[in-house]
Amino acid sequence: EVQLLESGGGLVQPGGSLRLSCVASGFSFRSYAMSWVRQAPGKGLEWVSAINAGGDDTYHADSVKGRFTISRDNSKNTLYLQMNSLRADDTALYYCTKGSSSGRPYYFDSWGQGNLVTVSS
Amino acid sequence: EIVLTQSPGTLSLSPGERATLSCRASQSVSSSYLAWYQQKPGQAPRLLIYGASSRATGIPDRFSGSGSGTDFTLTISRLEPEDFAVYYCQPYGDSRTFGQGTEVEIK
Repeated sequence: EVQLLESGGGLVQPGGSLRLSCVASGFSFRSYAMSWVRQAPGKGLEWVSAINAGGDDTYHADSVKGRFTISRDNSKNTLYLQMNSLRADDTALYYCTKGSSSGRPYYFDSWGQGNLVTVSS
Repeated sequence: EIVLTQSPGTLSLSPGERATLSCRASQSVSSSYLAWYQQKPGQAPRLLIYGASSRATGIPDRFSGSGSGTDFTLTISRLEPEDFAVYYCQPYGDSRTFGQGTEVEIK
């Protein structure tokens, strides 16, 4: 069974930084692309960042480009999202998602339970 | 960037009725790379449909997807109580944006 366990969220002041982690199990982590998707309170889904299986190809939504960095450690079965220069509109539940293949195109076939990030003074 | 428009915003139906949800893209979705997700309150989204019409593992056959190009449809043939939720469409070829969602609520 695929399991995706996110951690690292919490309350941070505007301009601050956080690093989210997602530990994966139940599948060959190094063989699949991974992504982060977020959902602001009461709002819809927004894709944030994606990384291919090898970790050498990354993509970020325009809303986070230059501030967020996605990475992975295949030896630790762990996905990361480094979030810098956080703003109030980054407040959201952040989901770790597993892609259906090693690179594009892929859909999100498994989702973690989400980790809440709150940006507020 | 492909812009998706889902309609209606809210669908009010009774258990046993048929639900038809629409997803329209601003430009053609390559190779029918279109997925549908279901999200129940307080839960993470779940993959329902990929490739516009293929059901994900464990998804009941009352869920079906159809369409190509710019117009796609998710149909729930007979609503069960557990089907009342929000549904999102998403192209996954050249774009990863989600539609704004359609809420299927109990009438």
